[in-house]
Amino acid sequence: SQQGEEDPQALSIQEGENATMNCSYKTSINNLQWYRQNSGRGLVHLILIRSNEREKHSGRLRVTLDTSKKSSSLLITASRAADTASYFCARGRGQNFVFGPGTRLSVLP
Amino acid sequence: DGGITQSPKYLFRKEGQNVTLSCEQNLNHDAMYWYRQDPGQGLRLIYYSQIVNDFQKGDIAEGYSVSREKKESFPLTVTSAQKNPTAFYLCASSFGLRETQYFGPGTRLLVL
Repeated sequence: SQQGEEDPQALSIQEGENATMNCSYKTSINNLQWYRQNSGRGLVHLILIRSNEREKHSGRLRVTLDTSKKSSSLLITASRAADTASYFCARGRGQNFVFGPGTRLSVLP
Repeated sequence: DGGITQSPKYLFRKEGQNVTLSCEQNLNHDAMYWYRQDPGQGLRLIYYSQIVNDFQKGDIAEGYSVSREKKESFPLTVTSAQKNPTAFYLCASSFGLRETQYFGPGTRLLVL
């Protein structure tokens, strides 16, 4: 598959713990984005990281990109119950983005 | 209040019927997109439009049609040729292709 693939498919953690999700891809990218989707809702953009960047932060979120390994990771620190959602990486492919199947994160109180 | 809106929230289609999903944005974005999402899966691109009066097929365009007569609007018609239309449909927009996309709340289409 040429899609970005997230790993794991599902993740359950306790509130306050850190959550790490990974995204792998097979062909070169322009940039990579991470999105969050609450159940039955639209996607919310979290972070865009360009191919010449290695790390970006936004609040409790940290995204890394390793182009040599064709992978990216999303770290959510000090998780909260409100972080419960599906998280998708979107890999830039040509003129568009290809979305992976997502990681379903459950943060238990 | 800027944003991207979709209507209706739920839509029911009868066999053989065409239905149209609305997508409007006031973000002054040039590019607009339609995605389909099936339960537990990622998004698949149906159609996209880079500018007014231009649109391109995505990965799963068969059974769908679009128009882009105005910058703000990008309606999607699910035709009777789409044999498995039940899904969650998401519209998005961005300033340009390969830029951050902003999503609407989605329309859930169900078949009666």
